[in-house]
Amino acid sequence: GDSVTQMEGPVTLSEEAFLTINCTYTATGYPSLFWYVQYPGEGLQLLLKATKADDKGSNKGFEATYRKETTSFHLEKGSVQVSDSAVYFCALILTQGGSEKLVFGKGTKLTVNP
Amino acid sequence: EPEVTQTPSHQVTQMGQEVILRCVPISNHLYFYWYRQILGQKVEFLVSFYNNEISEKSEIFDDQFSVERPDGSNFTLKIRSTKLEDSAMYFCASSLLGGGSSYNEQFFGPGTRLTVL
Repeated sequence: GDSVTQMEGPVTLSEEAFLTINCTYTATGYPSLFWYVQYPGEGLQLLLKATKADDKGSNKGFEATYRKETTSFHLEKGSVQVSDSAVYFCALILTQGGSEKLVFGKGTKLTVNP
Repeated sequence: EPEVTQTPSHQVTQMGQEVILRCVPISNHLYFYWYRQILGQKVEFLVSFYNNEISEKSEIFDDQFSVERPDGSNFTLKIRSTKLEDSAMYFCASSLLGGGSSYNEQFFGPGTRLTVL
């Protein structure tokens, strides 16, 4: 079935380090891809998305490119901040009969130290 | 900024008891969802709800589960007879539209942590 596999955490970085969180997917058809972020004590928030191959989603300095040939959607940021400490979830959407459900990866916890 | 709210933030119950988890979706949204995350595992889809009926459900969503929109603002998940394996974080979400629309972003609440003893 359709699934998302993302890099296991936790990931610990120093401020201003480069971040990559790997995400690959298995899907029938062409899903839309998402990164959600969960800050401590809060709900899941959409960070960025891409709806077709070669699209690049970007927000708050984060980027991810929809790569159909490698079925990947890796999250990157050039210089992380302490405030980026959170859990990051890669997800895809399946569209079935007008309803949509998100299929998530396990989440990767990122801690950024000053 | 409008947000999805959930109550309670943490619910502790005994095995076999009924629990009701409550959600207030964003007021003009039409599609509602429940997801859950067992500790250390993936966030999993449970059910979607539109126009006062279930539009899709997963195999997890068996007869012990039910959803309801009892009034114009609340959206509830009921577990009739809780089991130990129901212990998880339950997330409610809502979206303005569904079905492939570009306005289909799902907005999530902060979650309710359910602990079954």
